[in-house]
Amino acid sequence: DGGITQSPKYLFRKEGQNVTLSCEQNLNHDAMYWYRQDPGQGLRLIYYSQIVNDFQKGDIAEGYSVSREKKESFPLTVTSAQKNPTAFYLCASSILASSGYEQYFGPGTRLTVT
Amino acid sequence: QQPVQSPQAVILREGEDAVINCSSSKALYSVHWYRQKHGEAPVFLMILLKGGEQKGHEKISASFNEKKQQSSLYLTASQLSYSGTYFCGTLTGTASKLTFGTGTRLQVTL
Repeated sequence: DGGITQSPKYLFRKEGQNVTLSCEQNLNHDAMYWYRQDPGQGLRLIYYSQIVNDFQKGDIAEGYSVSREKKESFPLTVTSAQKNPTAFYLCASSILASSGYEQYFGPGTRLTVT
Repeated sequence: QQPVQSPQAVILREGEDAVINCSSSKALYSVHWYRQKHGEAPVFLMILLKGGEQKGHEKISASFNEKKQQSSLYLTASQLSYSGTYFCGTLTGTASKLTFGTGTRLQVTL
């Protein structure tokens, strides 16, 4: 079955620790995205990548970092510099990053930092 | 800039119709519509490309008004399964990233 997997589903961390969220896709999609969602809010783009070894900042990249060493993988690191990291994080992919292609979303990781 | 969705929330009885609007201050190349159930990932509904084409998916359809830079999602004869939050995502100019609205929460009751 093709799709996007994110792990873990729930993650708890202490303040000051870096944490890495996993995102893997087997859809052979070129483009991958990370979004953050806060309660009652829309999706805000953190980073996106159109091809391997290249990525661009989204609207709220401060305090986050990513890598794209393999086509199928796009991990997100939430660093201690992120002031308010508790949120629901969604990874998505699409065939290409252009207007005509839908984005497929993973099940999400709910991160709680105390 | 984030598109504006209206209304913010709507409650319907099963079988009633609803319209959700998505407006942008920038020229739109495409509008994507997604539905998200509580605690789950958003699910794709449809894409509307520049050109004003109306699309349909069962009893859910949408239009794209290029002049007004607005898209509308039409839910006809709503079912309980339509409950959730509806998001529009817009692509503007040469940007290759979607910008999502803050969502419209739809609740369908018996």
